[in-house]
Amino acid sequence: DAKTTQPPSMDCAEGRAANLPCNHSTISGNEYVYWYRQIHSQGPQYIIHGLKNNETNEMASLIITEDRKSSTLILPHATLRDTAVYYCIVRVYQAGTALIFGKGTTLSVSS
Amino acid sequence: NAGVTQTPKFRILKIGQSMTLQCTQDMNHNYMYWYRQDPGMGLKLIYYSVGAGITDKGEVPNGYNVSRSTTEDFPLRLELAAPSQTSVYFCASTSRGTDLTGELFFGEGSRLTVL
Repeated sequence: DAKTTQPPSMDCAEGRAANLPCNHSTISGNEYVYWYRQIHSQGPQYIIHGLKNNETNEMASLIITEDRKSSTLILPHATLRDTAVYYCIVRVYQAGTALIFGKGTTLSVSS
Repeated sequence: NAGVTQTPKFRILKIGQSMTLQCTQDMNHNYMYWYRQDPGMGLKLIYYSVGAGITDKGEVPNGYNVSRSTTEDFPLRLELAAPSQTSVYFCASTSRGTDLTGELFFGEGSRLTVL
């Protein structure tokens, strides 16, 4: 699987949009981008995934560049409860292929 | 549904002891995974299983063993515990359908300390 690069930490003011970048310059055509987050010491929580089109759900939006070498997770109105570690993962779209987590980005939302 | 249940939640072991971390899920998921997370680090995959009777090594399998005799249960065995195995262990599962979307369901974690 392609590797990802994320900034170790980011800050965001409450109510503002949080834009978390991820670089995956060696991504292959059959690999999807997945985002998870881990609040405090809980198990990771799935957020969103995508291949090449922008995706949106009730939690976030995922913007993938046209060349697919990078992506951005957007939390439109960050709250204090969004403080967490966010993981960007690239994985082949194949059942049974395990997710490999990196170190992620620690997002701190403050009031 | 209870989801993914891990026991024990906390455990202290002495060096050289053995123990089994239990993981059970009631969602009829085919795929199950064990991860470990050291302080300040991301999750590392230990072992995974795509169905009863089938297991495979992940990134850091040394010092661990698993079995998958039923769809529901995926225990992780630590033999001869070492301080390097001090970590938080997470079990996760998914079905074939949710696996393709990448949605894993995680347990609450088991915190193990080896002294």
